[in-house]
Amino acid sequence: QKEVEQNSGPLSVPEGAIASLNCTYSDRVSQSFFWYRQYSGKSPELIMSIYSNGDKEDGRFTAQLNKASQYVSLLIRDSQPSDSATYLCAVNWAAQKLVFGQGTRLTINP
Amino acid sequence: DAEITQSPRHKITETGRQVTLACHQTWNHNNMFWYRQDLGHGLRLIHYSYGVQDTNKGEVSDGYSVSRSNTEDLPLTLESAASSQTSVYFCASSDGGGQPQHFGDGTRLSIL
Repeated sequence: QKEVEQNSGPLSVPEGAIASLNCTYSDRVSQSFFWYRQYSGKSPELIMSIYSNGDKEDGRFTAQLNKASQYVSLLIRDSQPSDSATYLCAVNWAAQKLVFGQGTRLTINP
Repeated sequence: DAEITQSPRHKITETGRQVTLACHQTWNHNNMFWYRQDLGHGLRLIHYSYGVQDTNKGEVSDGYSVSRSNTEDLPLTLESAASSQTSVYFCASSDGGGQPQHFGDGTRLSIL
C-alpha cells in the first residue's frame, strides 16, 4: 500500500513568517513529487514539482526533497493571507499515477 | 489555452438513477483520471485511462464505470446512484512519465 502522510493541521502562521509544510511517503522508488494548493470549494492547483534531491525555489515557494529519508517539504516565505488554503502533497508511483496525502490546512493570520 | 472542463458543476439526483459526469480536456494528454474528494478521505482514485480504449480501476471503483473513445473525453458513469456516492468529483489529466496532473473545476454531486 502506497502511503503519503501529512499533518492535517490546521497550521497557523502569522503574516510575513515562513510556513513549513511536511510530507512523508512510503514508496522508495517514487521519482516525482508535487505540491498542490486547494482553496475551499476549488480544485487542486499545481504550485511546485520536484524530481531530484535538494531544494527547488520558485518565487516565495521552496520545495525540499530528501529521498533517503522519504521526505518532501514546502516552505512559503513572507506568508500572505492569500496563502491560506489546504496544501496537498502528491507522489507518483506506477510511473503515471499519483498518491495524494490528505492535505495540511494552512491559515495565515494578519 | 489548454484546459480541462467538467460538467455539470452541480447536480442533484435520486438514488437508483444513472448519472454521467463529463470530462473534456484540450491538453491532448493521454492520461486521464477521476477522483472523488470527501472530508476525512482526501482525493481517492476511482478510474483512470492511459489512452483510447484503455480503462483501469482505481481504489474506489465499485459502482462507477468509464469509457474512453477518444483522447479528449473520459465520462464517468454511476450505474445506480447511492447516497454514499454524494461527493465532489474531480477529473484530471497528465502527459504521463511522472508529469503532474492538471485538474478540472470539479462536479459537486448530491444523491438524495
